[in-house]
Formats: sequence, C-alpha cells, structure tokens
Amino acid sequence: DAGVIQSPRHEVTEMGQEVTLRCKPISGHNSLFWYRQTMMRGLELLIYFNNNVPIDDSGMPEDRFSAKMPNASFSTLKIQPSEPRDSAVYFCASSPRGTVQETQYFGPGTRLLVL
Amino acid sequence: GQQVMQIPQYQHVQEGEDFTTYCNSSTTLSNIQWYKQRPGGHPVFLIQLVKSGEVKKQKRLTFQFGEAKKNSSLHITATQTTDVGTYFCAGPRGGSNYKLTFGKGTLLTVNP
Repeated sequence: DAGVIQSPRHEVTEMGQEVTLRCKPISGHNSLFWYRQTMMRGLELLIYFNNNVPIDDSGMPEDRFSAKMPNASFSTLKIQPSEPRDSAVYFCASSPRGTVQETQYFGPGTRLLVL
Repeated sequence: GQQVMQIPQYQHVQEGEDFTTYCNSSTTLSNIQWYKQRPGGHPVFLIQLVKSGEVKKQKRLTFQFGEAKKNSSLHITATQTTDVGTYFCAGPRGGSNYKLTFGKGTLLTVNP
C-alpha cells in the first residue's frame, strides 16, 4: 500500500522563482495537511483540507503561499515568488477524517533551498 | 495560545542507557500523540494516549499520560542505535478537533 507521495524530494531554486510542491495523499483519506519544518520553528501547520476544501489556511505565512486540492488524490503548495527564508522541509500528511484522534501519515517531504 | 513544550531539546546517551523525554502542555489535552522522525526522514506515528494516567508499552518504549492530562513522557529502556531520531509529542491545539500542535522534539543520539 503506497503511503503519502510527495514530489520533488529536493528543490533548489533562486530567489524570486516560483516553486510548486506536489502531494498525493493515501487513497481513501479525506483530510490533507501541509506542514513546514524548520530548526527554529519546528513543525508548523500551513493549511488543512477536508474533502478537497480548504478548511483552515491561517498558518499560511503570507500571500506568496497558495495551496490547492483539485481532487481527492492531488494537492499542490505553491510559493511565488520564493525567498531564502522559505527554505525548509515541507511535509504533506493525510488522515482518514482529519480528527485529532487519528494518526497523521506523513509523506517523505520536499527539502527546499532558496538561494 | 496553547503550547506544547518538550524537554530536553537534545540527549546523547551511550548504547544501553535509558532515555526519557517529557512533554508539557499549558492546557488540558483530550489526547496526546507521539511521533518519531529519523534523521533525514519524516515523522512516523508511534502511539496515542487518551486516558488520564494511561501507560502504554511498545517493547522497550513506555509512554505515560499524566493524571491531569497536561503532561506526558516517553521512556526508552536500554537504548539501541536504531532509536536515534527526534521524538515529538503532539496535542490538539486550542481544543481544535483537527489541528495538532507539535512540540519542538527531543533529538536522541546514541553512541555505540
């Protein structure tokens, strides 16, 4: 059974460029989370989707960040334009219904470096 | 806002020694989860505690949830090199039914 799939696994880009991160949640899971992990701030929730609908985007740092979930098997997180302070590991996680009592299954992450 | 604090931030042990990490919340938690992240890897769910005073064991790992449901601990007996990684606790944020607040984690390194 495939877990959460993320691509690319590594991304190096220059400041000002657009970056698109992709995620395929576990089949049958209705909830999807995007997290950002840095040494300073730890794991931060950026946005939460339930049944493909964005429920909570209060963690999105600023307007340069946007996320979509056009269908149950695909989500994107876009940064435009990217800045060096966006360098981090971005994780996508999914769970069956999204409640705090459920296990969250994390993807392998995208390691982003913005020069 | 509600915070989940973990101590210590780092712990280095000799193989065979015990290890404990502590998690403290500023508010009462309905449940707490523990995750492990290997170096270069992603967080992987270990266990969930729900009941006041609950104790659960997974082989050499013992998890406890405090009586007041505001703190938790993870204890590893006789560490092995395979235990290396960062251990995170996570609890519901501000009573949310979907948001988890993760602690900053405890990085465990084991000297063989």
